[in-house]
Amino acid sequence: GDSVTQMEGPVTLSEEAFLTINCTYTATGYPSLFWYVQYPGEGLQLLLKATKADDKGSNKGFEATYRKETTSFHLEKGSVQVSDSAVYFCALTSSGSRLTFGEGTQLTVNP
Amino acid sequence: DAGVIQSPRHEVTEMGQEVTLRCKPISGHDYLFWYRQTMMRGLELLIYFNNNVPIDDSGMPEDRFSAKMPNASFSTLKIQPSEPRDSAVYFCASSGGWRNTEAFFGQGTRLTVV
Repeated sequence: GDSVTQMEGPVTLSEEAFLTINCTYTATGYPSLFWYVQYPGEGLQLLLKATKADDKGSNKGFEATYRKETTSFHLEKGSVQVSDSAVYFCALTSSGSRLTFGEGTQLTVNP
Repeated sequence: DAGVIQSPRHEVTEMGQEVTLRCKPISGHDYLFWYRQTMMRGLELLIYFNNNVPIDDSGMPEDRFSAKMPNASFSTLKIQPSEPRDSAVYFCASSGGWRNTEAFFGQGTRLTVV
């Protein structure tokens, strides 16, 4: 079945540091890939997505590229801010609209 | 649209009591999902509906859990009887269908069973 594996957290960075959160997946066919973000006390919200190989999703300075050859969708940001502190989830859909989520990675950014 | 609306936001109940969580999806969305989030198990899909019909309930932990969607604008998740290990945040989400359409999440119901 489908599965998503994220790098283990938590991740703690200083403000303006470079961020990478690794995500790899296993799926049948050609999945669509997503990154969701969850701020404290809130539900998940879509951060970015990519629907086919080599697509790059981007939003709020975050980027991720759909790499079919390595089955990866790593999240990056060049300079993180304190306000980026949240839990980040990698996810995919490969059949219908059912989302399969990774375990989530807690990011804390210190001033 | 106000987004996915869940109620209540917080629920504290005693073990053995019945608990009903409610969800109003975004108008026009064909899919509705119920998730449970805990520190130990992360985010788990409990059940999802398409056009008000349950498609996959394999994530429902046991017979104490049941979910209904009587119409396109309302769904409930019921736990009877509730147990302390059911304490979690329960999220409802909806999407317009097709595999590349994002799911929109409600703010969740934090359930505490004492």
